[in-house]
Amino acid sequence: DSGVTQTPKHLITATGQRVTLRCSPRSGDLSVYWYQQSLDQGLQFLIQYYNGEERAKGNILERFSAQQFPDLHSELNLSSLELGDSALYFCASSVGAPGSYEQYFGPGTRLTVT
Amino acid sequence: SQKIEQNSEALNIQEGKTATLTCNYTNYSPAYLQWYRQDPGRGPVFLLLIRENEKEKRKERLKVTFDTTLKQSLFHITASQPADSATYLCALSPTGTASKLTFGTGTRLQVTL
Repeated sequence: DSGVTQTPKHLITATGQRVTLRCSPRSGDLSVYWYQQSLDQGLQFLIQYYNGEERAKGNILERFSAQQFPDLHSELNLSSLELGDSALYFCASSVGAPGSYEQYFGPGTRLTVT
Repeated sequence: SQKIEQNSEALNIQEGKTATLTCNYTNYSPAYLQWYRQDPGRGPVFLLLIRENEKEKRKERLKVTFDTTLKQSLFHITASQPADSATYLCALSPTGTASKLTFGTGTRLQVTL
């Protein structure tokens, strides 16, 4: 158990809909990261927050947004969903800067868009 | 553009042997390199971190080397066990708090009896 929790575990929704994925980092970790993993793309970095502020952005679509709250939990919002958004979404946390500290990954949310 | 290459073909080895996985990168000057293990449908699990000024790092049966001249990292598992069967991901990051960790696509290791 990494100490990172994600809800829900599974999500099935229709195209055009909007969903929210939730992540609670390990106790004491200030950085939260979101990743998308699909079969043909590998693990793709989406966005990073550090103590409530956005720090780095990766290949995140404009239809996707995220935020980190004062209690450090984070939410990833996906809107106008398309079939291609079906993937595993992972949240990870670390104590500090991305490279110099290991990241602890949650169990993931499997999103299926039908 | 930056590229991280891991052998996409599965590596099959016999129990007890040493598994060696390769991570090559181009157009990149990473300050840190990390290795993770991922089981199907689960989140990656951190294994080892090595810095650009370190040549080698060990942890139990695991060893990582980092050659910034060759732009390559080797990941070794000695005395492999069937329980080591998984996908292994390398990840690179430059220095800086706004930097991101970029993952390779991983190599699947299968250890057989």
